[in-house]
Amino acid sequence: DQQVKQNSPSLSVQEGRISILNCDYTNSMFDYFLWYKKYPAEGPTFLISISSIKDKNEDGRFTVFLNKSAKHLSLHIVPSQPGDSAVYFCAASLQGGSEKLVFGKGMKLTVNP
Amino acid sequence: EPEVTQTPSHQVTQMGQEVILRCVPISNHLYFYWYRQILGQKVEFLVSFYNNEISEKSEIFDDQFSVERPDGSNFTLKIRSTKLEDSAMYFCASKPGQGNYEQYFGPGTRLTVT
Repeated sequence: DQQVKQNSPSLSVQEGRISILNCDYTNSMFDYFLWYKKYPAEGPTFLISISSIKDKNEDGRFTVFLNKSAKHLSLHIVPSQPGDSAVYFCAASLQGGSEKLVFGKGMKLTVNP
Repeated sequence: EPEVTQTPSHQVTQMGQEVILRCVPISNHLYFYWYRQILGQKVEFLVSFYNNEISEKSEIFDDQFSVERPDGSNFTLKIRSTKLEDSAMYFCASKPGQGNYEQYFGPGTRLTVT
């Protein structure tokens, strides 16, 4: 049951360049999407989110794009910094009920100085 | 800044033993969750808890699992008779209310069943 998919396990970019992390989902009922960042030995930390009624949300260096017709979202980090090196999880939720999060497998981002 | 705390950070137990994992959610939050992450796999939802009752549970959350909010601050996950396959990181999360989708996670408890 892979309702949320992150097909690339890792990404390596140079400091200052753009990092693009991709996520696909299969359940068209999802109406809210979130990105979490996770460092080793810590819990996931909320980064940015987007409602299904929007196609873009920006917060500083982080922008999330949503393409509902393609059931695809992406996280752009510009410029990338070494401190951004972490595992990034895409998650989705349904309005109402428990509003649990359904996570992708995660992608390890490495930003090289 | 308020945060979710979890204890212990690491628990080692023998197969068949009972374990209780503890969490203190953020104080004004109303929705509480447990997730787990088996090494190398995705973070999986176990159970959600609201208004002193379970609002949803996954297939993983069988009769061996239970949750409780014994007082106004703690939120616990009990595994009655642990199995080897219960070895995982267990994360507690909380959020303020309905329609607030961002959940705040604790640092996790690493459970090792031998």
